[in-house]
Amino acid sequence: KAGVTQTPRYLIKTRGQQVTLSCSPISGHRSVSWYQQTPGQGLQFLFEYFSETQRNKGNFPGRFSGRQFSNSRSEMNVSTLELGDSALYLCASSLGSGGSNQPQHFGDGTRLSIL
Amino acid sequence: GENVGLHLPTLSVQEGDNSIINCAYSNSASDYFIWYKQESGKGPQFIIDIRSNMDKRQGQRVTVLLNKTVKHLSLQIAATQPGDSAVYFCAENYGGATNKLIFGTGTLLAVQP
Repeated sequence: KAGVTQTPRYLIKTRGQQVTLSCSPISGHRSVSWYQQTPGQGLQFLFEYFSETQRNKGNFPGRFSGRQFSNSRSEMNVSTLELGDSALYLCASSLGSGGSNQPQHFGDGTRLSIL
Repeated sequence: GENVGLHLPTLSVQEGDNSIINCAYSNSASDYFIWYKQESGKGPQFIIDIRSNMDKRQGQRVTVLLNKTVKHLSLQIAATQPGDSAVYFCAENYGGATNKLIFGTGTLLAVQP
């Protein structure tokens, strides 16, 4: 069974640009969550989608947005990029949403560098 | 790696010894906990989970202990191997209608051959 797939693996952008990252969950998983990982802040929750609906959102500015498609694939978008957005962006999928207590499985992330 | 700036606590053990990694969690209402292992250049890998109605759960070479009274979680790795060298994170789920995980800062496990 294929794991969580994130594309692209590496991305270099400049300040002010926007970027879209993609995540394909494990087959059959309907919940997709996004996390940002930086050396200074560690792993921080961005948002969760389940059945194409945003279930929860972390404490990030509105420049960070996401969506989920009917096949459970998800994208996140960051507009007006800032130097501080440089990070590893991780996607995780699980079978169900909150209350189901099922583990989330992570992809290997997209490493975004802002110049 | 992604965690250098956090000045991660480091646990150094000899190959073959047992390792114990500790974690304090923040919310007494959290009802689900997961341990992840992250190797350089990779995403967090699921190791073992435990629900709040349990205080111990065992897997292959790993055991997780949960003490809700003091909000403490530990991961025990038996017969530690060089391949166990990685950063280990505990994560808590607050419960309710969300999968949001709150992660600890991580512990770097260094296994000496």
